Amino acid sequence: QVQLQQSGPGLVKPSQTLSLTCAISGDRVSSTSTAWNWIRQSPSRGLEWLGRTYYRSKWYNNYAESVNGRITINADTSKNQFSLHLNSVTPEDTAVYYCTRADGRWAFYEDWGQGTLVTVSS
Amino acid sequence: EIVLTQSPDFQSVTPKEKVTITCRASQSIGSSLHWYQQKPDQSPKVLIKYASQSFSGVPSRFSGSGSGTDFTLTIDSLEAEDAATYFCHQTNSVPQSFGQGTKLEIK
Repeated sequence: QVQLQQSGPGLVKPSQTLSLTCAISGDRVSSTSTAWNWIRQSPSRGLEWLGRTYYRSKWYNNYAESVNGRITINADTSKNQFSLHLNSVTPEDTAVYYCTRADGRWAFYEDWGQGTLVTVSS
Repeated sequence: EIVLTQSPDFQSVTPKEKVTITCRASQSIGSSLHWYQQKPDQSPKVLIKYASQSFSGVPSRFSGSGSGTDFTLTIDSLEAEDAATYFCHQTNSVPQSFGQGTKLEIK
């Protein structure tokens, strides 16, 4: 049974960096058969894939064009977790953010974090 | 980028009714299409994987079909607990994408 526990602030000021962490239990972030994703959901944009990280002898990342240049997803093997960093945020980045686990690069999301509402406001 | 379009956006249905939700992809995605159910204030949960494969623990009244660009989620004999929003999701290529959702209301 894999569990994903999200943590991070619920309020971020415009132009600052949004940072969230997803702690993993029941699997390893460095697993060579898993991909770790960040998704967000808002009334205006629906469910939006932001990016992913996965390990296949080395670390790989893919990012959505909509946030490319502002986003970094990285893994911490010592803490068995992965993180999202989104800089230069605006109110349009206000959303519920989810981390997910896929059992393969092209697999469905079998496990989801609990979701974190992040509001961008001064 | 692959766009997924669901229909309908909203449906009000009575218990025991059969429900069909469709998802159309802007280009062929083979069978890399999955269905999720989301209830208010909860994370989505997978119902159907790879277009037609049931996920463990999901009631048998949920089924999926299709391949290529046209997919269907069917709920046989709807129950009150099925009130939720349903999403399709493609993992054929990056960026992955989701349908806009179909909200089911139980009369």
